[in-house]
Amino acid sequence: QVQLQESGPGLVKPSETLSLTCSVSGYSISSGHYWGWIRRPPGKGLEWIVTIYHSGTTYYNPSLKSRVTISVDTSNNQFSLKLSSVTAADTAVYYCARHDSYTSGWTPFDYWGQGTLVTVSS
Amino acid sequence: DIVMTQSPDSLAVSLGERATINCRSSQSVLYSSNNKNSLAWYQQKPGQPPKLLIYWASTRESGVPARFSGSGSGTDFTLTISSLQAEDVAIYYCQQYYSIPFTFGPGTKVDIK
Repeated sequence: QVQLQESGPGLVKPSETLSLTCSVSGYSISSGHYWGWIRRPPGKGLEWIVTIYHSGTTYYNPSLKSRVTISVDTSNNQFSLKLSSVTAADTAVYYCARHDSYTSGWTPFDYWGQGTLVTVSS
Repeated sequence: DIVMTQSPDSLAVSLGERATINCRSSQSVLYSSNNKNSLAWYQQKPGQPPKLLIYWASTRESGVPARFSGSGSGTDFTLTISSLQAEDVAIYYCQQYYSIPFTFGPGTKVDIK
């Protein structure tokens, strides 16, 4: 059974960098699939942030690209998100999730972590 | 970006009755190469992550009850819950995975009347 678990600080100060890690169990990141981050601000809908493949190939939401860094650590079966220069608008529940790509395009997110609330406040 | 819209914003349905949620994309999400619509439906309950219900617009994910069905093509899609159960109270989102950036609808909240 594939499981994903987010971890990281729940409180970040404005202008600082948000850092989260997603630990994957039950499946080796090196085996394939794509790994992404999605967030849900309070009272709002879901927003896809970024996706990475184990090779390091990345795909970004243009609206956040300038502030986002994603990396993968295959030895620890983890991938990580960094979001710089955060403001209150970045307060959200952050989810990591798995999806895939194939010759005809992409697939939906089939496995999700439980999510972690990150609050941006001084 | 492909903009996803949903209607209604919320609905209340009696137990055992039908619930219908609509989703529209600002451009077609039909892949001509495989004739499939890159459209998914998710269910999110409070304190839980979204759960994939339907993909390719009409294919139920493994383990999803048969009362959930998806239909539509091109830009207009529908999620139907044929006989609403108490455990179906949730927010439902559509998502296009046709092109980057992947985008979600704003969600439809389903409650019991």
